[in-house]
Amino acid sequence: QVQLQETGPGLVRPSETLSLTCAVSGGSITNYYWGWIRQPPGKGLEWIGYLYYTGSTTYNPSLKSRVTLSVDTSKNQFSLKLNSVTAADTAVYYCARHQTPRSTGIFSWGEFFDSWGQGTLVTVSS
Amino acid sequence: SELTQDPAVSVALGQTVRITCQGDSLRSYYASWYQQKPGRAPVLVTYGEYNRPSGIPDRFSGSRSGNTASLTITGAQAEDEADYYCLSRDSSENHLLFGGGTKLSVL
Repeated sequence: QVQLQETGPGLVRPSETLSLTCAVSGGSITNYYWGWIRQPPGKGLEWIGYLYYTGSTTYNPSLKSRVTLSVDTSKNQFSLKLNSVTAADTAVYYCARHQTPRSTGIFSWGEFFDSWGQGTLVTVSS
Repeated sequence: SELTQDPAVSVALGQTVRITCQGDSLRSYYASWYQQKPGRAPVLVTYGEYNRPSGIPDRFSGSRSGNTASLTITGAQAEDEADYYCLSRDSSENHLLFGGGTKLSVL
């Protein structure tokens, strides 16, 4: 059973860069897609982006100008950077394994996130 | 494009409830459903049509008709009280969408 763990600062100053890492254990990062999702306090889930183990990325258009996802296969981990943060970026950030027809080969399964990290709260405040 | 869910739904203990997710993209793509309890990470409960991860009770089932995806809980239990979110791919752009979420109360 693959396990994911988010790590990074819990407090980021406005206008600075939020940086989080997701460590994958119990399985290889290779041959899978991996994603980031966030949830502001008391609100719903928002998809941030996903990447393939090769480094290919896809981002939410609303965040695309500020987001960078990257992967380090040697460490079995992937990372999120979100720059120019404001209070609106305060949220619990989750990493997850993303299954897609491109990886499963089964269109009728659709898109899904089957393993999630526990989440980490990042507060943007001075 | 967006995915629309009812903000709140209630069901009597042991009865059947259907939680829906509407959006144009669902005519082309399948949805997955997530259960989230307070302070916890979301958990995948169904994906595509009638698929469940191991460990998810068979009272949870997912389906699709036209522009609507549904999560049906047959014989709701007290522990099913939670927020439920749908996820699918946007049909006009290369990205993913979550529905706004439905808070399920089991009475």
